[in-house]
Amino acid sequence: ELKVEQNPLFLSMQEGKNYTIYCNYSTTSDRLYWYRQDPGKSLESLFVLLSNGAVKQEGRLMASLDTKARLSTLHITAAVHDLSATYFCAGEETSGSRLTFGEGTQLTVNP
Amino acid sequence: DVKVTQSSRYLVKRTGEKVFLECVQDMDHENMFWYRQDPGLGLRLIYFSYDVKMKEKGDIPEGYSVSREKKERFSLILESASTNQTSMYLCASSFPSGEVNTGELFFGEGSRLTVL
Repeated sequence: ELKVEQNPLFLSMQEGKNYTIYCNYSTTSDRLYWYRQDPGKSLESLFVLLSNGAVKQEGRLMASLDTKARLSTLHITAAVHDLSATYFCAGEETSGSRLTFGEGTQLTVNP
Repeated sequence: DVKVTQSSRYLVKRTGEKVFLECVQDMDHENMFWYRQDPGLGLRLIYFSYDVKMKEKGDIPEGYSVSREKKERFSLILESASTNQTSMYLCASSFPSGEVNTGELFFGEGSRLTVL
């Protein structure tokens, strides 16, 4: 059974700073997904990482995947207030298309 | 754009009532999923379906059932609602994960259910 752990669960940072959210998973999972959720809203897909060494970037967010270490990271560069949200990572079960989600990282970017 | 539509954004029901949550997607996705989201617990999978009339239990199926009579529609049923089923319910759909498709989930807006 796949387990996915994120840390930190809560992150308060200042605008302009850099930080990384970590996503560890317990068993083989070749694909890793990152989602964003704004308060009161649903989940929006950010990145799909399909293989070992995959790196994707969108604006101030960059995600990477190391399948050997069973680790994905979401790096935030020069944070801005608009990035305040909850970020989830999810791994794909090897038995099919179902995803297992981490608990989420609630990010607050302060002016 | 993919659209996943959940029939009700907010519902208030009484203990013991039967509750139907409907979800419709317009992208011809084979896979459909029902999750519930609770503070501190993340998203937990209730049921999923890979095809019409097929269903599989997720991690927390107790107290729920599902129906998939048409490819685009996946219904979640609470036979007798209880207060511990007060939650946010999220429907999602996807193509099967493989060489052609990523398996990326597309979510509906969510249905917030309160059981009194």
